[in-house]
Amino acid sequence: DAGVIQSPRHEVTEMGQEVTLRCKPISGHNSLFWYRQTMMRGLELLIYFNNNVPIDDSGMPEDRFSAKMPNASFSTLKIQPSEPRDSAVYFCASGDGSTNEKLFFGSGTQLSVL
Amino acid sequence: GDSVTQMEGPVTLSEEAFLTINCTYTATGYPSLFWYVQYPGEGLQLLLKATKADDKGSNKGFEATYRKETTSFHLEKGSVQVSDSAVYFCALLAGGGADGLTFGKGTHLIIQP
Repeated sequence: DAGVIQSPRHEVTEMGQEVTLRCKPISGHNSLFWYRQTMMRGLELLIYFNNNVPIDDSGMPEDRFSAKMPNASFSTLKIQPSEPRDSAVYFCASGDGSTNEKLFFGSGTQLSVL
Repeated sequence: GDSVTQMEGPVTLSEEAFLTINCTYTATGYPSLFWYVQYPGEGLQLLLKATKADDKGSNKGFEATYRKETTSFHLEKGSVQVSDSAVYFCALLAGGGADGLTFGKGTHLIIQP
């Protein structure tokens, strides 16, 4: 298995633009998590899905952020409009939903909003 | 709510030194505890875990013991190598795991030759 695949690896955009981050979880995993990593706040859970259904989005910073999981093999995190304070590394992780003990992380998307 | 507190970094050591990274937690019930490691430019990966009190997790020379009385899960290694330079995250899983892992802020470890 190729592991959790995220794209793009790097994204540089201007304030006000729409940004879409993509994630392909490991086949057979039914939990998917989106995290944001910054120096100030560390690793923050934004939202997670179980069997494609959003379970908890309380970590999503504001209405500018939205996430979808249309099927078991694909998820997106969208920021519209983007702001400089959204600059961070965004990680997607998938896990066996029965325990979620071991999460498998993608390599992340480094987002820079100018 | 559940939370994890770990020592601030960066921690800088010389090769072959002894390593301790402190981690304490707050949780209802009896969580499982984990250490994840993030190498430069990569995502996090599981290093070791312990699922009940007094359990010791170990991997790649690293160890951590689940101490319920002090709510701690300190990471130790007897002799660090340059290749151990990374960011280390302590984490807990509570409530049956349905809500996923709660991570600490991470500790950046730098090993100098």
